[in-house]
Amino acid sequence: AQTVTQSQPEMSVQEAETVTLSCTYDTSESDYYLFWYKQPPSRQMILVIRQEAYKQQNATENRFSVNFQKAAKSFSLKISDSQLGDAAMYFCAYNPGSNYKLTFGKGTLLTVNP
Amino acid sequence: NAGVTQTPKFRVLKTGQSMTLLCAQDMNHEYMYWYRQDPGMGLRLIHYSVGEGTTAKGEVPDGYNVSRLKKQNFLLGLESAAPSQTSVYFCASSYWSSGSPDTQYFGPGTRLTVL
Repeated sequence: AQTVTQSQPEMSVQEAETVTLSCTYDTSESDYYLFWYKQPPSRQMILVIRQEAYKQQNATENRFSVNFQKAAKSFSLKISDSQLGDAAMYFCAYNPGSNYKLTFGKGTLLTVNP
Repeated sequence: NAGVTQTPKFRVLKTGQSMTLLCAQDMNHEYMYWYRQDPGMGLRLIHYSVGEGTTAKGEVPDGYNVSRLKKQNFLLGLESAAPSQTSVYFCASSYWSSGSPDTQYFGPGTRLTVL
């Protein structure tokens, strides 16, 4: 069974600085999909970024980028120029591509200090 | 577009009571999902549906039933609520393209407390 591990239960960053959230996963698949979701205090789950494993180029969405290391099965999220609105729980998720199933990590709570 | 909506947003039940959570999506998605979120556990899939009239079990289906009579709606039922079902429930929906999962879009969640 696939597992997703987020080893940092909590992280903090100063406003305008950069922070990296870690995620590792376990899979025997060669093609799969990885996601980062953000959950602010409102509880709404918001897609931050998506990565296809067959693409070597790291996905980027404005201030959010990933460092995808396929051999190491690592998928970290970098947030640049952190803003107060980035404070949230962040979940890493894995999909094998062959079915519906989305497996989530347990989340990292990010605090942004002014 | 409203996206994915859930009704109600909050509910308190007594042990043994029943209730139904309603999820609606206006994006014409084939796939719909129900998750529960518990502290320190991430999100876990309860049931899912690949189309109107079809449902299947996910990771933690016990104590729940679902129905998908219309493509845009997915109902989650608790026949006899237990304190262990106290949780935040999320509905999600997605397309399914051949060989490629589309992004799952989530509703705002329902906080359920069972006393």
